[in-house]
Amino acid sequence: GAGVSQSPSNKVTEKGKDVELRCDPISGHTALYWYRQSLGQGLEFLIYFQGNSAPDKSGLPSDRFSAERTGGSVSTLTIQRTQQEDSAVYLCASSLAGQGIETQYFGPGTRLLVL
Amino acid sequence: AQKVTQAQTEISVVEKEDVTLDCVYETRDTTYYLFWYKQPPSGELVFLIRRNSFDEQNEISGRYSWNFQKSTSSFNFTITASQVVDSAVYFCALIPAVTGGGNKLTFGTGTQLKVEL
Repeated sequence: GAGVSQSPSNKVTEKGKDVELRCDPISGHTALYWYRQSLGQGLEFLIYFQGNSAPDKSGLPSDRFSAERTGGSVSTLTIQRTQQEDSAVYLCASSLAGQGIETQYFGPGTRLLVL
Repeated sequence: AQKVTQAQTEISVVEKEDVTLDCVYETRDTTYYLFWYKQPPSGELVFLIRRNSFDEQNEISGRYSWNFQKSTSSFNFTITASQVVDSAVYFCALIPAVTGGGNKLTFGTGTQLKVEL
């Protein structure tokens, strides 16, 4: 079956512009995660959606970052007024929603470059 | 808070050599899960293995094997008879199994493995 898909694969934007990154999880996976991978910070958690529960936003670095998940499937990560330090690879993952900890499967990522 | 340390930033080996990637973790939780992921040059994180803290049995999958030792808080990964296709960045990660703790992976900084002919 299809894995996690993300679009665009690459995005170049100018400082101050808004960007939207999209994630399509594996069919049947109800949990969805966003992570960021940057040279200085490594891989860090951003936000987590689980079914209809309120998302865990504890990893979002500033109020310029937001994410939503429509219909329990596709998710969009929005970065407003982008800054150069937002340049990174944004990775999305999804998992089943079991009783315990489920394995997260990752997409190919979106490489964001803020000029 | 959790912490995962991968002290080896980069390892270079010649094909067919065995190589071990080290992972040391810190957590106050008694129940937790450990993971290894592979990130080839294409960039996608590929899941390799998961272990829970109650299962210290070592595991072998083909040329890959994992040695989990709670006494030293380590979860090391060995590739036997390495191949060029094994060249990638390998990440060790941890999730504590605590109620309300979410499902957030805490990653190590990764080890870049280069396998040369």
